[in-house]
Amino acid sequence: GAVVSQHPSWVICKSGTSVKIECRSLDFQATTMFWYRQFPKQSLMLMATSNEGSKATYEQGVEKDKFLINHASLTLSTLTVTSAHPEDSSFYICSARADHRANEKLFFGSGTQLSVL
Amino acid sequence: GQQLNQSPQSMFIQEGEDVSMNCTSSSIFNTWLWYKQDPGEGPVLLIALYKAGELTSNGRLTAQFGITRKDSFLNISASIPSDVGIYFCAGLNYGGSQGNLIFGKGTKLSVKP
Repeated sequence: GAVVSQHPSWVICKSGTSVKIECRSLDFQATTMFWYRQFPKQSLMLMATSNEGSKATYEQGVEKDKFLINHASLTLSTLTVTSAHPEDSSFYICSARADHRANEKLFFGSGTQLSVL
Repeated sequence: GQQLNQSPQSMFIQEGEDVSMNCTSSSIFNTWLWYKQDPGEGPVLLIALYKAGELTSNGRLTAQFGITRKDSFLNISASIPSDVGIYFCAGLNYGGSQGNLIFGKGTKLSVKP
């Protein structure tokens, strides 16, 4: 099946620093990628939809200036958590849509555990 | 907004037991999906359901799309240790936001000590 690679798997950073997370579709082109956030024992919450070559669409309550998304190619989307604070500590997961006609054909990355000290 | 109620929240299983979990919604969905998530990993799609009343199997897993389009269940037969993990249902409607997958809160499967 389709493979989505997410890097890094985990990151620890100091408060106030910025962290970049990469999401790559390895064997297919993804015009659309999605970024989710998951707190412990909670479900996945959609943060934003990333479209190649255009601005990301953010869900209500998600600060676009804090969570910068760049989708510069058909196989790569990045999420940058700017000026991270402890409350930003969470598990971040990306997914990529392999078929532009089928939202259910989403393949998820393995996630990034962010811990902000 | 749309919400999914997934139950049970957690359950303990013994090897060989059958397992059942379900999701209900206050509104209808066009598609129901079931995912499994292992610790520190992203979700993996298990079964996708596209039509009301549809019953689909994937090995020991069977899922059904409720005829009202507001619910779905997942059964696991003859459970094995590697079945442990968190199972999420997700509902999907077309025509809305491209990322309009609504996830349930998950059912955590653990092995009885």
